[in-house]
Amino acid sequence: DARVTQTPRHKVTEMGQEVTMRCQPILGHNTVFWYRQTMMQGLELLAYFRNRAPLDDSGMPKDRFSAEMPDATLATLKIQPSEPRDSAVYFCASGSGQNYGYTFGSGTRLTVV
Amino acid sequence: AQRVTQPEKLLSVFKGAPVELKCNYSYSGSPELFWYVQYSRQRLQLLLRHISRESIKGFTADLNKGETSFHLKKPFAQEEDSAMYYCALRDNTDKLIFGTGTRLQVFP
Repeated sequence: DARVTQTPRHKVTEMGQEVTMRCQPILGHNTVFWYRQTMMQGLELLAYFRNRAPLDDSGMPKDRFSAEMPDATLATLKIQPSEPRDSAVYFCASGSGQNYGYTFGSGTRLTVV
Repeated sequence: AQRVTQPEKLLSVFKGAPVELKCNYSYSGSPELFWYVQYSRQRLQLLLRHISRESIKGFTADLNKGETSFHLKKPFAQEEDSAMYYCALRDNTDKLIFGTGTRLQVFP
């Protein structure tokens, strides 16, 4: 059963520190998403890629967030500097083609203190 | 504007009762709709796709274009169905837009 792998599963960091979250999409999937989940806002789309090219990152605060796909097996989401309001669960999802849903990773639970 | 609306934050039923989780959408094109389920502190899992017209874990959902709805139904709820349920729409750029979710609680 193919899975999307996210690391780390949990991260506690101090305000102002850099945070990097990683995602390994399912092999062969060409579309990758980053979502943020909070109690207040629910699921927010931060950015997504197709064939490693960014399609839309309008949901991401540009001054501190950045998302990249250095290769087809790795997507990264960085926050620098981190702030307490960034505390959330960050999910990565991947998929390919029409008529299929996307597969989600287990998420990275980020706590910024 | 593209939007997915789940009007109920919480739905509580007793085991064996019928369940209907509401989802309405706003989309100018031909929508592709999904239901995802998230069990406590776990990842989101795909439950249903409207195009496949399947039944998973006893759940079904029918796309009603006239009412722009894609409600999720189950005739007899089970305790293990307790979870967060998200309705989602995929637009023509492959972006997946989620509703705010409905928490289903099934009491014994």
